[in-house]
Amino acid sequence: DTGVSQDPRHKITKRGQNVTFRCDPISEHNRLYWYRQTLGQGPEFLTYFQNEAQLEKSRLLSDRFSAERPKGSFSTLEIQRTEQGDSAMYLCASSFERMNTEAFFGQGTRLTVV
Amino acid sequence: AQSVAQPEDQVNVAEGNPLTVKCTYSVSGNPYLFWYVQYPNRGLQFLLKYITGDNLVKGSYGFEAEFNKSQTSFHLKKPSALVSDSALYFCAVRAALISSGSARQLTFGSGTQLTVLP
Repeated sequence: DTGVSQDPRHKITKRGQNVTFRCDPISEHNRLYWYRQTLGQGPEFLTYFQNEAQLEKSRLLSDRFSAERPKGSFSTLEIQRTEQGDSAMYLCASSFERMNTEAFFGQGTRLTVV
Repeated sequence: AQSVAQPEDQVNVAEGNPLTVKCTYSVSGNPYLFWYVQYPNRGLQFLLKYITGDNLVKGSYGFEAEFNKSQTSFHLKKPSALVSDSALYFCAVRAALISSGSARQLTFGSGTQLTVLP
């Protein structure tokens, strides 16, 4: 499978715990995006990488959130001290560098904070 | 800032009838426009895009979309709907050129749930 892969698909955690999600982009794509999607809403941008550089972060990305993309390959998104409001689908996408190319999305990680 | 509006939360259409899902956008300069479809508990699948050229864009599964610059719209259409087209549809925009008022990422609308009735 050469698409975008996300792990885990589902995560249930207790409030206050830390969680980490992984995204493996399509191998030749140098851009990687993280989005958050809550029920009934469209995806909301969190952050984006070009290669290993994190070039943009949304105001939605509080200091409890951190994302990395070491070596410009896979990426991780960590949420510290989870809150019930963090419950959502976290989507990863990747694309080529050109602005006119579409982004390809993974199947997402559904986080439930109890 | 860039934004997308999908004015209809829900669209119902009978199988075999034409369908339209509406989208309007706001962006600095020329837009790149995209449609994605999402099935339950799945990620988004790319349907089609407008970059430049012909205002009528054809995409996957018989879908097409018409770009109208004066109305800042990019409505999704299909001549004959199938029950299997039932899903959540998202329109997205990105500025063609990066400037102080634009962003590199895609900005999505809130989605339109399409239900095709047998």
